[in-house]
Amino acid sequence: GEDVEQSLFLSVREGDSSVINCTYTDSSSTYLYWYKQEPGAGLQLLTYIFSNMDMKQDQRLTVLLNKKDKHLSLRIADTQTGDSAIYFCAEDGGFKTIFGAGTRLFVKA
Amino acid sequence: NAGVTQTPKFQVLKTGQSMTLQCAQDMNHNSMYWYRQDPGMGLRLIYYSASEGTTDKGEVPNGYNVSRLNKREFSLRLESAAPSQTSVYFCASSEGINYGYTFGSGTRLTVV
Repeated sequence: GEDVEQSLFLSVREGDSSVINCTYTDSSSTYLYWYKQEPGAGLQLLTYIFSNMDMKQDQRLTVLLNKKDKHLSLRIADTQTGDSAIYFCAEDGGFKTIFGAGTRLFVKA
Repeated sequence: NAGVTQTPKFQVLKTGQSMTLQCAQDMNHNSMYWYRQDPGMGLRLIYYSASEGTTDKGEVPNGYNVSRLNKREFSLRLESAAPSQTSVYFCASSEGINYGYTFGSGTRLTVV
């Protein structure tokens, strides 16, 4: 069945770049998403990439998609303490979007 | 613009009690979803409603029922709560397939 895998933790220093990685299994997914969850809050859609794209840039966020390896990454440039959160990768499954377990990003001042 | 509103935010139930989690969206979205979030397991889909008048099972529907009351509201009912249902429950909505979701802020449920 479909599965989305992410590493559970990432720690970076303020000002450095963060790279959060994700692998997925359903090669027919049309869209892949990144969501951010801050403490005590729901998930917030950060960005998405269409499956026929290799890269998408949105201000400090860069999404890279390697369809051959089914690998998705989210790069956050100039990481700030406000970026500390859990980041979820998700693959489009029609009405059954599949979420990874989330990567907790710690930003050290 | 409120987005997706969930009530209550916190609830403690005794085993065997019943309760209904409420969800309402004001974005005129067609589709609505209920997920549960457990540590280290990400989000798991309980039920979804593709459009008003339809509901379908997700990955973990056992012990739950849902009602799509109208286009705005989608409720989740626990008929006989069990400790295994201790979790954070999120409601979400979307315009439909291939659209990202808007999530509510969650209901933290503890069953003792």
